[in-house]
Amino acid sequence: SQTIHQWPATLVQPVGSPLSLECTVEGTSNPNLYWYRQAAGRGLQLLFYSVGIGQISSEVPQNLSASRPQDRQFILSSKKLLLSDSGFYLCAWRKAGDSPLHFGNGTRLTVT
Amino acid sequence: GNSVTQMEGPVTLSEEAFLTINCTYTATGYPSLFWYVQYPGEGLQLLLKATKADDKGSNKGFEATYRKETTSFHLEKGSVQVSDSAVYFCALTRVTGNQFYFGTGTSLTVIP
Repeated sequence: SQTIHQWPATLVQPVGSPLSLECTVEGTSNPNLYWYRQAAGRGLQLLFYSVGIGQISSEVPQNLSASRPQDRQFILSSKKLLLSDSGFYLCAWRKAGDSPLHFGNGTRLTVT
Repeated sequence: GNSVTQMEGPVTLSEEAFLTINCTYTATGYPSLFWYVQYPGEGLQLLLKATKADDKGSNKGFEATYRKETTSFHLEKGSVQVSDSAVYFCALTRVTGNQFYFGTGTSLTVIP
């Protein structure tokens, strides 16, 4: 069966520090990969998605970036965190077509 | 364009009450529809799905029917439990697209 791993679970970082969140998927190949953020309330904001290695689509221009160095690995990065980057970050995967999204357990990021 | 509209929360019900959370959608073509549930501090979990008109998705006592004529996918449960307290998201995707479109989420609290 397929599983998705996301780490770390919680992170507290000072303003201006770098960020690296990692997500890996097991048990499938060539998944579509996604990064979402939930800030304060309940809504989901799509940040990036990828349909293949090295292919990244950005939905919201900001100081975050994403990379997909391997088929089942998706990394969210920042060179300098802002207070507004605080939130709950969710990685997700799906197969192409109308298949459902499968989410990781999320990373709670607090920028102080 | 594609979008999902959910009823505003929060919703508070007594245990064993009947639950309805309204969801309507706008989409080109024939989307697939989903309900996700998010428990506190966790990622989203797929609750149920329907891929064509008149399909009924069901899981854990929850049901939703894909109504093309009213572009709706309302979530229902006959008798809620305290453990159903969570945030519920309605979502859609299209076979030819890479994106998921989420509603803003509806918070449900069930009191004993």
